[in-house]
Amino acid sequence: AQSVTQLGSHVSVSEGALVLLRCNYSSSVPPYLFWYVQYPNQGLQLLLKYTTGATLVKGINGFEAEFKKSETSFHLTKPSAHMSDAAEYFCAVSDFLGNEKLTFGTGTRLTIIP
Amino acid sequence: KAGVTQTPRYLIKTRGQQVTLSCSPISGHRSVSWYQQTPGQGLQFLFEYFSETQRNKGNFPGRFSGRQFSNSRSEMNVSTLELGDSALYLCASSLYTDVSGNTIYFGEGSWLTVV
Repeated sequence: AQSVTQLGSHVSVSEGALVLLRCNYSSSVPPYLFWYVQYPNQGLQLLLKYTTGATLVKGINGFEAEFKKSETSFHLTKPSAHMSDAAEYFCAVSDFLGNEKLTFGTGTRLTIIP
Repeated sequence: KAGVTQTPRYLIKTRGQQVTLSCSPISGHRSVSWYQQTPGQGLQFLFEYFSETQRNKGNFPGRFSGRQFSNSRSEMNVSTLELGDSALYLCASSLYTDVSGNTIYFGEGSWLTVV
């Protein structure tokens, strides 16, 4: 069975500082990996995904993530935090068949300090 | 184009009742999946449908059921509601079922409160 661990349920960074949200996965086969963002009272929005190819994936709103197979990690970063980045972020891994059964981490709530 | 539409957005039910939630996928999308989101359990996969066929099912009791219609709209039903069924139910749609080649879009969810 696949699993996702997000280290840190709450992360606070100052506006303009680096954002780093950690995600480690467990999978017996090369996974497909995703980062989603959820704003209050809204659904999930895809930030980026890794399937195959380049291990550094660029997403929307200036976010990027690097797939590191040796570390089984897929950490999300953004060089400079903006107030609008305050939200909850979820890392997810797909079923090894690549279908739509996603396994999500428990989420990290990002707070931006003015 | 319109996104994934879920109705109703908010509802309150009593223990023992049943509830039906509806999801209209993005036009042209044939794959629909459902997730339950709770503070305690997080986001958990419920079902996945493609062309009216259930392709995957999560680890939920038989009280949870779903279906997809020929126009790709989907419904999920929860019978004999329990307090623990209080959650945000999210529907997602995509063109087809392979996540490597397409994007899954989520609706804003239906907030269910069981009292």
